[in-house]
Amino acid sequence: SYVLTQPPSVSVAPGKTASITCGGNNIGTERVQWYQQKPGQGPVLVISYDGDRPSGIPERFSGSKSGNTATLTVSRVEAGDEADYYCQVWDSSTDYLVFGGGTKLTVL
Amino acid sequence: EVQLVQSGAEVKKTGESLRISCKGSGYNFANWWIGWVRQMPGKGLEWMGVIYPGDSDTRYGPSFQGHVAFSVDTSINTAYLQWSSLRASDTAMYYCARIYYYDSNKFFDSWGQGTLVTVSS
Repeated sequence: SYVLTQPPSVSVAPGKTASITCGGNNIGTERVQWYQQKPGQGPVLVISYDGDRPSGIPERFSGSKSGNTATLTVSRVEAGDEADYYCQVWDSSTDYLVFGGGTKLTVL
Repeated sequence: EVQLVQSGAEVKKTGESLRISCKGSGYNFANWWIGWVRQMPGKGLEWMGVIYPGDSDTRYGPSFQGHVAFSVDTSINTAYLQWSSLRASDTAMYYCARIYYYDSNKFFDSWGQGTLVTVSS
């Protein structure tokens, strides 16, 4: 089955830029989503279709893809961005929705 | 506004049965797939499967097939996740979420608040 690989953790100082990666075979042909999950809360969609932001998500959040890697970029990081972030794709061959293992973003 | 409201936390014993619920509002419930996601303590998100309320078409993830069951009651815009015999390893937070399906893509665009299920012996 399709596997998405994320780094377990990323640390960044306030005001700097954080990049969280998501690797997978042929991810270049898949549409990638990103979810934010703050401590004690449910997930929230922050990026869909590789780089589209839903209404209400700050412009500081952006998504991109290159080769076999998708990247969530959080610019001008704030303390409130500290959360777990998950990438997700739809594997059309199995009709499964697949999540990456998640990345904990720590704001120093 | 789209809302998914889940039933409250449950504490059960191994071998017991359980049904938790997810009530949708603010959209045409019958026309959107609902998915279920498990999050075990301190772990990541796992896709359990999906159900289409319009005709109860159901798909289960490989790790959950045969152990859980999905159902819906469209008269009250509610989806259910059910176990007939709980295991201690079912202890987890369970989320329902609406699935956006368009243009060769599926993802969760709105989430419930989660239901914590604790199973002990």
